[in-house]
Amino acid sequence: GESVGLHLPTLSVQEGDNSIINCAYSNSASDYFIWYKQESGKGPQFIIDIRSNMDKRQGQRVTVLLNKTVKHLSLQIAATQPGDSAVYFCAVNSGYSTLTFGKGTMLLVSP
Amino acid sequence: EAGVVQSPRYKIIEKKQPVAFWCNPISGHNTLYWYLQNLGQGPELLIRYENEEAVDDSQLPKDRFSAERLKGVDSTLKIQPAELGDSAVYLCASSLRGNTEAFFGQGTRLTVV
Repeated sequence: GESVGLHLPTLSVQEGDNSIINCAYSNSASDYFIWYKQESGKGPQFIIDIRSNMDKRQGQRVTVLLNKTVKHLSLQIAATQPGDSAVYFCAVNSGYSTLTFGKGTMLLVSP
Repeated sequence: EAGVVQSPRYKIIEKKQPVAFWCNPISGHNTLYWYLQNLGQGPELLIRYENEEAVDDSQLPKDRFSAERLKGVDSTLKIQPAELGDSAVYLCASSLRGNTEAFFGQGTRLTVV
């Protein structure tokens, strides 16, 4: 089965800094990866996704990097804002199987 | 466009009582998931539907949990009887099909006392 882990349970940054959240996965057949943001009392919210035929994808202020060699992906948030404070999960899909989630990293942004 | 709708938002029940959760997915989404989320953890899959067929229920504790998705749209998740350890947030999500982004509802927070 798939195992998904995050490297750091909590990340504290200053407003305006860039944030990097990391995730490792175990199944080399994994081919679809999603980053979710979850605020307190809410369900996970889709941020950005990437498929295994890419190694980088950019959105608005966010970038996801995928390194299939070491089975690692990261989420970069540029110019982090207080509204970015939340728990971030990576989720991994292998073929048409189910999304497997990591434990999450709590991002704390101080003004 | 309405998102995934779940009800109720909160439920408090005594142990050994039954409880049911309801989910209305995004219109047109064929794939529906029920996830369990314990405090401080990532969501864990309970069951995945493709239309009305349960295609992955390997993590569903079938002695007390059941789910259905009649007509391939709305879904209900039931626990009978509930145990103290079932206290968690139950999340429903839907996607157009497997292997595409899944959108989550706000979840139902269950407290078993």
